[in-house]
Amino acid sequence: SSELTQGPAVSVALGQTVTITCQGDSLRLYSVSWYQQKPGQAPVLVISDKNKRPSGIPDRISGSSSGTTASLIITGAEAEDEADYYCNSRDTHGNHLIFGGGTKVTVL
Amino acid sequence: QVHLLESGPGLVRPSETLSLTCTFTGDPTSTKSVYWGWIRQPPGKGLEWLGSRSSGGTTFYNPSLMGRVTISVDTSKRHFSLSLTSLTAADTAVYFCVRDLRDYSGSSIDSWGPGTLVIVST
Repeated sequence: SSELTQGPAVSVALGQTVTITCQGDSLRLYSVSWYQQKPGQAPVLVISDKNKRPSGIPDRISGSSSGTTASLIITGAEAEDEADYYCNSRDTHGNHLIFGGGTKVTVL
Repeated sequence: QVHLLESGPGLVRPSETLSLTCTFTGDPTSTKSVYWGWIRQPPGKGLEWLGSRSSGGTTFYNPSLMGRVTISVDTSKRHFSLSLTSLTAADTAVYFCVRDLRDYSGSSIDSWGPGTLVIVST
């Protein structure tokens, strides 16, 4: 399969925990990366290799993956976490990159 | 990490060819295999990978673009380019140049340019 599926939107109360999921057959073969994009800005890598945080990404953002499903978890959501989040992986053929459709996170 | 910056026309006519250049600064090397690529985002929509190319010439393109895309890389001059032919209104998007890091387990885009809006219109 060459698709990654994400829910379109989710909301979370300030200080609470939210989980965003990404599903696709390629996730059995290749690790997932996650990106945060705020309006008018380029995406920023927040999780690579399933659960590694680049320098500068707060530890309230974490990732996990099992089988064909990957998850991005924001624990203790803050107002600055309001953004679109995209998952990404290689496709099942291994050479091409695919993105999920994105999940809009609203912090209430 | 590297810093990337796109340059090119903001308006292109239908049926013509789009040419964009990306200039990078900083250390381009990594413990992973480095590819230089392009990703676009139509207004209000999601991300679409166009293609990636290593300095050694290994190149992968999105098959949905049906041969319209070409990426060239010149790391000695610290730039790489995108050519996209036979433009239509559907190619209107913000175009991002990126660094695509790959190893046996997957790929991640660790550096993004700010993006440049390209409008295809008469």
